[in-house]
Amino acid sequence: KNQVEQSPQSLIILEGKNCTLQCNYTVSPFSNLRWYKQDTGRGPVSLTIMTFSENTKSNGRYTATLDADTKQSSLHITASQLSDSASYICVVITTSGTYKYIFGTGTRLKVLA
Amino acid sequence: NAGVTQTPKFQVLKTGQSMTLQCAQDMNHEYMSWYRQDPGMGLRLIHYSVGAGITDQGEVPNGYNVSRSTTEDFPLRLLSAAPSQTSVYFCASSLGQGRYIQYFGAGTRLSVL
Repeated sequence: KNQVEQSPQSLIILEGKNCTLQCNYTVSPFSNLRWYKQDTGRGPVSLTIMTFSENTKSNGRYTATLDADTKQSSLHITASQLSDSASYICVVITTSGTYKYIFGTGTRLKVLA
Repeated sequence: NAGVTQTPKFQVLKTGQSMTLQCAQDMNHEYMSWYRQDPGMGLRLIHYSVGAGITDQGEVPNGYNVSRSTTEDFPLRLLSAAPSQTSVYFCASSLGQGRYIQYFGAGTRLSVL
């Protein structure tokens, strides 16, 4: 069964600290993996998209990694800010004829001053 | 350039009522989709469209109808609202499927009493 699991479910860190969010998937065949940021009361916003051949991608203070062999991805946030408080959603896209988007349940991050 | 616009932002319905959630995009995107987001679950696909005049069912289509008469608009109709349809609904659009960035609207929070 195609699944995307994220950990931890929630995380609290102090402003300025780094953190890493995890995403494990059992999706096949693999097309690409995305990380979204969702602020409270808003729609998800795309942070990164990675294909099979990419193992690192950065977007400002956000760096995503992908290990296609172990089917794991991580999102590293450097020097966190209060505005990083949000849910972070991992999505894996599979294709066998038509594209299917498999969404994780997200990690809720709270950054404290 | 407004992106993806959803209306209304909030709605309360009584069981058995019908209503239409509006979604419009101004990016000339071919692919549009509707998701629902429930606590503790990943986003689930309701219906999608690959272009004007073409729609298809997603993962959870029962109780919902869609049509796509123009590239810009993709309304979602609840035929006879049920409490199980209480959720947050997101519309998304992209140039195509699979490899393209998805842009989400801000969501419609629906309560069915």
